[in-house]
Amino acid sequence: DAKTTQPPSMDCAEGRAANLPCNHSTISGNEYVYWYRQIHSQGPQYIIHGLKNNETNEMASLIITEDRKSSTLILPHATLRDTAVYYCIVRDNTDKLIFGTGTRLQVFP
Amino acid sequence: DAGVTQSPTHLIKTRGQQVTLRCSPKSGHDTVSWYQQALGQGPQFIFQYYEEEERQRGNFPDRFSGHQFPNYSSELNVNALLLGDSALYLCASSNRPSSYNSPLHFGNGTRLTVT
Repeated sequence: DAKTTQPPSMDCAEGRAANLPCNHSTISGNEYVYWYRQIHSQGPQYIIHGLKNNETNEMASLIITEDRKSSTLILPHATLRDTAVYYCIVRDNTDKLIFGTGTRLQVFP
Repeated sequence: DAGVTQSPTHLIKTRGQQVTLRCSPKSGHDTVSWYQQALGQGPQFIFQYYEEEERQRGNFPDRFSGHQFPNYSSELNVNALLLGDSALYLCASSNRPSSYNSPLHFGNGTRLTVT
């Protein structure tokens, strides 16, 4: 079973920040938080990952709480092309990613 | 720099037949994993290949088998196809031994339809 809990769906206005929450209360000390997104009919696209510090790249920012039991993915200026299913994954030291059902983000004009 | 490539993109087979799907990993990657994604669900891990050996396996029957070649490319074979095998089959590659701090990169998958 997935070790994460995400809301099934969210809406966001174009140009606004999209904040996608994820709960992972049973995360272990050496497990990373990964975010992927999947646009219809494509493979999952890697977005960002982190262990305990906040991370930022050209796509998004990842905020991890101090107790590491939850995190938030931030898309600073959402566009229509950001409409996708977003998966939050807790990853151990393997390539076996356990996907949940993710959050379906709808960006509207 | 080529990403993960999969072939074919679409495939239609009949129940009981066998199918082979192919994957070339991202340049510089040496590990390949396969995932099955049923409609409306998240991907499920099938198995992982590294150094031409199966290293880890998910909860899939022996009808699902694979192979990795010396150039790191991989094949997924499914025998005795069932209607329930209809899904998007995804290949992902990574670089060991950096493992969990090294992102997996996915291809766009092969859409298999079993009739």
